[in-house]
Amino acid sequence: EDQVTQSPEALRLQEGESSSLNCSYTVSGLRGLFWYRQDPGKGPEFLFTLYSAGEEKEKERLKATLTKKESFLHITAPKPEDSATYLCAGRGGGSEKLVFGKGTKLTVNP
Amino acid sequence: DVKVTQSSRYLVKRTGEKVFLECVQDMDHENMFWYRQDPGLGLRLIYFSYDVKMKEKGDIPEGYSVSREKKERFSLILESASTNQTSMYLCASSLSRVRAFFGQGTRLTVV
Repeated sequence: EDQVTQSPEALRLQEGESSSLNCSYTVSGLRGLFWYRQDPGKGPEFLFTLYSAGEEKEKERLKATLTKKESFLHITAPKPEDSATYLCAGRGGGSEKLVFGKGTKLTVNP
Repeated sequence: DVKVTQSSRYLVKRTGEKVFLECVQDMDHENMFWYRQDPGLGLRLIYFSYDVKMKEKGDIPEGYSVSREKKERFSLILESASTNQTSMYLCASSLSRVRAFFGQGTRLTVV
């Protein structure tokens, strides 16, 4: 059974304090690893797609990387507006289903 | 930009009622999904559809059914609502192999 596990469940950072969120996956025939951001009471908002090990994508203070077993979302010098829940999802071979992790709730204090 | 619209942001229904949650997308996507999201459990797939009138069960289909009569519309039906179906419901759509776009969510309370 395909599985995606995110850690930590919650992370508190001071503004400017860089860190990383982890997403480990066991998804058969991975055909895409997706990162989303979700604000309270809203639907997830797309951030990145990674398709193969070694791939990296960047957007402002966020950088996503992928290995054969896990993905990292690196946050450099975060700001309070980066506070949100970050979700990771995998899509396996032969299916369009996205399997989600439970998310990491990030709080950035000013 | 792709728009996925869910018919209600908030809904309160009584136990035993038949409930319809509607979702419409405007980008001709073949795949549509219904998830529910609960604290500590994350997003769990209820049903998805990969074409008109085609559907496949997700991980937690019990107590739910779906309908997709037109490509742009995917409905989730709670046949007889129960309090354990109180949740945030999220609809999404996608083309094959690329990212999914989500609606704003419907927070359903069953009393």
